[in-house]
Amino acid sequence: QRQLVQSGPEVKKPGTSVKVSCKTSGFTFSSSTIQWVRQARGQSLEWIGWIVLGSGNTKYAQRFQERVSFTRDMSTTTAYMELSSLRFEDTAVYYCAADGGGWGQGTPVTVSS
Amino acid sequence: DIVMTQSPLSLPVIPGESASISCRSSQSLLHRNGNHYLDWYLQRPGQSPQLLISLGSYRASGVPDRFSGSGSGTDFTLKISRVEADDVGVYYCMQATQTPHTFGQGTRVEI
Repeated sequence: QRQLVQSGPEVKKPGTSVKVSCKTSGFTFSSSTIQWVRQARGQSLEWIGWIVLGSGNTKYAQRFQERVSFTRDMSTTTAYMELSSLRFEDTAVYYCAADGGGWGQGTPVTVSS
Repeated sequence: DIVMTQSPLSLPVIPGESASISCRSSQSLLHRNGNHYLDWYLQRPGQSPQLLISLGSYRASGVPDRFSGSGSGTDFTLKISRVEADDVGVYYCMQATQTPHTFGQGTRVEI
C-alpha cells in the first residue's frame, strides 16, 4: 500500500526558504515519479512540477522555475521540495503525489512577517 | 498553458441518483502516443485529493465501478452512478498531456 508522509507545518518570513519532505513506502521508489502540487485556502490545485526518482530528472512549472528545487534521497526513499524567496502568496498547503495514485497528507506553509 | 474548465461548479445530488461533471480543455489532450492524459480527483472535506480516473477512463485501484470517465479531444465527463453520502467533496479534472499540468476550478458535490 502506497504511503507518502510529509513533514509538519511551517511558518516562514518573506524572502526566506522552506524545505518540505515526503517520505514514501509501499512502491518501488526508483521506478516512480513524484509530483508536487499546492493549494491555497479555498482555491483549486496548482502544479509545481515533478521529479523522476530514479534519474533525478526534474520538470518545473515556468512560474516556479527560478525559485524551486526538487531532490530525493534514494537511501531513505524520501523526496524533497525547496521553495526559496518566499512571498505572502506562497501561503498554501503543499502536497506530494506519486504517479498511479497516492498523495501525502499535505504540509501547510504560512508566509508571514 | 492549457486551461481546464469544469461545469457545473456546484452540484447538489440525491443519494441513489446519478450525477455528471463536465471538463473541457482549451486544447486537445490527445498526446502523440494516442493517449489522453486526463485525470479525475476527489478531495473530500479536510483530506488530500485522491485519484479516481486516469487516462480519461481508467479507474484507479480500489475505486468503485460507480465512477466512470469518458471523452476525447477537448471534452471529458465524469459520471457517478448511484450517488452515496461518501461521494461528497470537490472533484477536479487535471490534464497531464502538456506541462505545466493544469487543473479545473473544481466541482463541489453536496447532498
